[in-house]
Amino acid sequence: ETGVTQSPTHLIKTRGQQVTLRCSSQSGHNTVSWYQQALGQGPQFIFQYYREEENGRGNFPPRFSGLQFPNYSSELNVNALELDDSALYLCASSSEGIAPYGYTFGSGTRLTVV
Amino acid sequence: SQQGEEDPQALSIQEGENATMNCSYKTSINNLQWYRQNSGRGLVHLILIRSNEREKHSGRLRVTLDTSKKSSSLLITASRAADTASYFCATDAVDTGRRALTFGSGTRLQVQP
Repeated sequence: ETGVTQSPTHLIKTRGQQVTLRCSSQSGHNTVSWYQQALGQGPQFIFQYYREEENGRGNFPPRFSGLQFPNYSSELNVNALELDDSALYLCASSSEGIAPYGYTFGSGTRLTVV
Repeated sequence: SQQGEEDPQALSIQEGENATMNCSYKTSINNLQWYRQNSGRGLVHLILIRSNEREKHSGRLRVTLDTSKKSSSLLITASRAADTASYFCATDAVDTGRRALTFGSGTRLQVQP
C-alpha cells in the first residue's frame, strides 16, 4: 500500500473529449507531480504542484492542466484528447524540505483514447 | 527525451543468479533513484544514491554511481522469481525550483524459477 490513491484506475474516452484524473497524496506530503507513461517507455514529467501553485512543467501542451487543493490532493485535466494521450498516468507525492527527496507513486490511471 | 538510458533493455536469468542493470544520464544531478514497476502498475521506490556517494546497499540491492562517467548500476543478488519486473533509473537533476524526476526507458527483468 503506497499511501497515494489515484482514481479511476481505468478509463476509456473518445478523441476530442476531456478527462479529469484524481490523486490523493500521502499524508504529510505537500507536493504532487504527474507523469505520463506510454506503453514500453519510462514515465515523462508533466508538471508539479507545490502549495497549490504549479512548480515546474515538462514538455506538454497547455491542454494538459492541473490543480492542487488545500488538502494537497490534485487533479490532472486533459482537453481535446488525442489518440497519443493513451497512456498510464502516474501521480507522485513528496514533501519539500526533507532530504533525500523521496517520491511515493500511486498505482496509476490507465487512459485509453479511441 | 529520456535523460537516463538503461542497459540492457531486457534481461532473463535463472533464480539465484545475480542481475545487473546499468543506467547512463546526461546532465549534472542531485541524486539518482531506482524504481521497480510490476506489469505497468505504480512505481515502487527502491533506493536513492546522492551525487556525493559512490555505493549504497539495501538488502539484496547494491547501487553504484560514477558521476565522472554519468552512469549508475543496480545489482540484485540471489534473484527470485518475484523480482520479475521493469526497473527504471531516475535522475533528480540540478535545476532551480522543480523536483522533476527524469526516467530512463527501463530494463525488463525476467527471473525464471
